[in-house]
Amino acid sequence: EVQLVESGGGLVQPGRSLRLSCAASGFTFDDYAVHWVRQAPGKGLEWVSGISLNSGSTGYADSVKGRFTISRDNAKNSLYLQMNSLRAEDTALYYCAKATSLLSVFDLWGRGTLVTVSS
Amino acid sequence: EIVLTQSPGTLSLSPGERATLSCRASQSVSSSYLAWYQQKPGQAPRLLIYDASSRATGIPGRFSGSGSGTDFTLTISRLEPEDFAVYFCQHYGGSPYSFGQGTKLEI
Repeated sequence: EVQLVESGGGLVQPGRSLRLSCAASGFTFDDYAVHWVRQAPGKGLEWVSGISLNSGSTGYADSVKGRFTISRDNAKNSLYLQMNSLRAEDTALYYCAKATSLLSVFDLWGRGTLVTVSS
Repeated sequence: EIVLTQSPGTLSLSPGERATLSCRASQSVSSSYLAWYQQKPGQAPRLLIYDASSRATGIPGRFSGSGSGTDFTLTISRLEPEDFAVYFCQHYGGSPYSFGQGTKLEI
């Protein structure tokens, strides 16, 4: 089955760090770009970051630039998001999604992992 | 950055009726980079339409997309009970990838 499974979410205090993971299965992971998209409770979708299939290109939303770092390990079929200096406004359900390239539609999404930033 | 504005915010219709959802971009968008997603409560978004008018694999024919430039439309020809959900449009032509705020389609 083709799927993406996120993990690593939880409750964290403001200013602290958290690392999210996304495990891919059922497809050739290194043939695809992958993204992180988040959704605050009751809100819409916000693109967070994306990475090309060979890690040569990355992009970040202005809201997370300088605080979040995206990476991938193709040997482990995994995507990561290192989140530093977390703020209350980073509280959201974080999804990973795959795309054929960085100029392609997000054709499959995981079910998300919840990050709550609160003291 | 391209800002996408969806209307209406909420659309109240009955099964069997036709739904028309709008997505307006702040600047001209290549049709190659406009998508529509459906999201049901507690679920991840599901791709419906890409390249403005191409249906994704497994999407029923009652879903269609159209438009160009700054105005795009998602049409559901005859609503089924399972179609009541939130719909998002997206521009995926490069960073930053923007989403509309969503249209809630309710019974």
